[in-house]
Amino acid sequence: AQTVTQSQPEMSVQEAETVTLSCTYDTSENNYYLFWYKQPPSRQMILVIRQEAYKQQNATENRFSVNFQKAAKSFSLKISDSQLGDTAMYFCAFMKLYTGNQFYFGTGTSLTVIP
Amino acid sequence: NAGVTQTPKFRILKIGQSMTLQCTQDMNHNYMYWYRQDPGMGLKLIYYSVGAGITDKGEVPNGYNVSRSTTEDFPLRLELAAPSQTSVYFCASSPGTSGSEQYFGPGTRLTVT
Repeated sequence: AQTVTQSQPEMSVQEAETVTLSCTYDTSENNYYLFWYKQPPSRQMILVIRQEAYKQQNATENRFSVNFQKAAKSFSLKISDSQLGDTAMYFCAFMKLYTGNQFYFGTGTSLTVIP
Repeated sequence: NAGVTQTPKFRILKIGQSMTLQCTQDMNHNYMYWYRQDPGMGLKLIYYSVGAGITDKGEVPNGYNVSRSTTEDFPLRLELAAPSQTSVYFCASSPGTSGSEQYFGPGTRLTVT
């Protein structure tokens, strides 16, 4: 079974600063995908970024980037130039390929951006 | 631009009652999913479907049933509701290709008292 651990239940950051959210996972799979989803107070789940395990290069999407360490099974999210709209719950998710491409989610990190 | 729609948005059930949560997607996605999100927790997969007529259990299927008669619709049935089923329920869909994201509906908040 796959498990995803987010060890930081809550974090805060000053507007315009940088923050890093941690995620570790456990799996015996060799190929898989990892995702970060954002859930603002509206409750809507929004994709932030994804990473394929076979790719060495870390994914980047504008102000969002990841640090993917496959051997350590670590997948952290860095948010640069934090904005008030980044305030949300952030979920790390592991996608197991085949068998329906199932997602396994962590328990989330609540991020507050302080003006 | 509807994406994934869910009805109802909110519902209160009495213990032992039954209900169906509706989910529809207009993106012609093959894969569809039902999750539940308990307070302070991540989403857990209840059931999923890889196409019309094909469904399978996820991590927490007990107390639920699903069907998939069309590509668009994936209803979730709760039989004999219990307080432990109080949660927020999310439906999602995906094209099903490797690495494709899941697109989520807005959720249904269900309270069983």
